[in-house]
Amino acid sequence: RKEVEQDPGPFNVPEGATVAFNCTYSNSASQSFFWYRQDCRKEPKLLMSVYSSGNEDGRFTAQLNRASQYISLLIRDSKLSDSATYLCVVYQTGANNLFFGTGTRLTVIP
Amino acid sequence: NAGVTQTPKFQVLKTGQSMTLQCAQDMNHNSMYWYRQDPGMGLRLIYYSASEGTTDKGEVPNGYNVSRLNKREFSLRLESAAPSQTSVYFCASVESTGQTFAQYFGPGTRLTVT
Repeated sequence: RKEVEQDPGPFNVPEGATVAFNCTYSNSASQSFFWYRQDCRKEPKLLMSVYSSGNEDGRFTAQLNRASQYISLLIRDSKLSDSATYLCVVYQTGANNLFFGTGTRLTVIP
Repeated sequence: NAGVTQTPKFQVLKTGQSMTLQCAQDMNHNSMYWYRQDPGMGLRLIYYSASEGTTDKGEVPNGYNVSRLNKREFSLRLESAAPSQTSVYFCASVESTGQTFAQYFGPGTRLTVT
């Protein structure tokens, strides 16, 4: 079983739409959670950390449900520039490593 | 601050050839990592170095060796390249304080083995 699983998409949404991505992780001992953004042929970049209480950064909202081992990312008022692949990432202290999902591809259409 | 730099950006090798991928960071981070990214597989850890002078295997170490030359530099070597090693290779360095863990990636090396 993969450490982190996400729906690969693709998600094709019109500008202005709201879109949500989900992710599950298998190890209940996982400590920290992140969403990364990766543009085509570029390196992953940290989008936001995910906290148990939920957190928001502008149009982006991240939620964590430890009981269900589930992480989500909500993007409101989608922009063309949001088109990218979004990676769900989990950190395990014991493994001293980040575990990456395969990514969900988003295309925002004019 | 250049962040994390990698060389080369692109490389084509023939089966059996060797090469070293270079990575350097100027953020004074202790930990550095090498990943490979393949379609449908996500990023997979090859090796990491928690501090200068130490290295540890990750999920997919076979066929690779690493050297943590100093705090700034962490190189990845392919002794005898195979087509299965065709991939995009990312180096990363980590800022870790208590419960927080922020990872910064280099721009990647695109390697093709024919």
